[in-house]
Amino acid sequence: RKEVEQDPGPFNVPEGATVAFNCTYSNSASQSFFWYRQDCRKEPKLLMSVYSSGNEDGRFTAQLNRASQYISLLIRDSKLSDSATYLCVVTPGGGADGLTFGKGTHLIIQP
Amino acid sequence: GAGVSQSPRYKVAKRGQDVALRCDPISGHVSLFWYQQALGQGPEFLTYFQNEAQLDKSGLPSDRFFAERPEGSVSTLKIQRTQQEDSAVYLCASSYRGRGGYTFGSGTRLTVV
Repeated sequence: RKEVEQDPGPFNVPEGATVAFNCTYSNSASQSFFWYRQDCRKEPKLLMSVYSSGNEDGRFTAQLNRASQYISLLIRDSKLSDSATYLCVVTPGGGADGLTFGKGTHLIIQP
Repeated sequence: GAGVSQSPRYKVAKRGQDVALRCDPISGHVSLFWYQQALGQGPEFLTYFQNEAQLDKSGLPSDRFFAERPEGSVSTLKIQRTQQEDSAVYLCASSYRGRGGYTFGSGTRLTVV
């Protein structure tokens, strides 16, 4: 089983719609959680951290469910510029460093 | 510098050739990571340095892969006797002790022909 699993998509969504995708992780000791965005042929860039209490940044809402070991990302009022691959990322617990990435979910916003 | 700098941006190597990929992290960043990203996949961990110490090299796919960071700043990833399956984007990331997020370089796209 992969440590971080995501539905690769693609998700084809009309502009203005709301889209949500989830990610599951296998290591219950995982400590920190993030969503990164990666555009075609570009490096990953941090979109937002994910907290147990849930957090919102503009049109983006991230939530963490530790009991079920999943993370979600919700995008409201989607824009054409939201088209990208969204990578679910976790860090190990126990003081270890580094990031473990999912394969990414490919999102295509259609006009 | 302002960001993580990687060079070269693109590299075409003949099978069997040795290559060296360079990463110049953000000044003052203690932690440095190398990742390999194959087409259509997420980045896969290769190795990790804290200052000049290589604390984890469990992700290096074979003994043809070698990384160093001798002075705790610039790092080099060397691949000996390249094979076609080594074709990928090699990403470098740095952080201040893993806190405050990780900044990635633009990557080196290696194509082995």
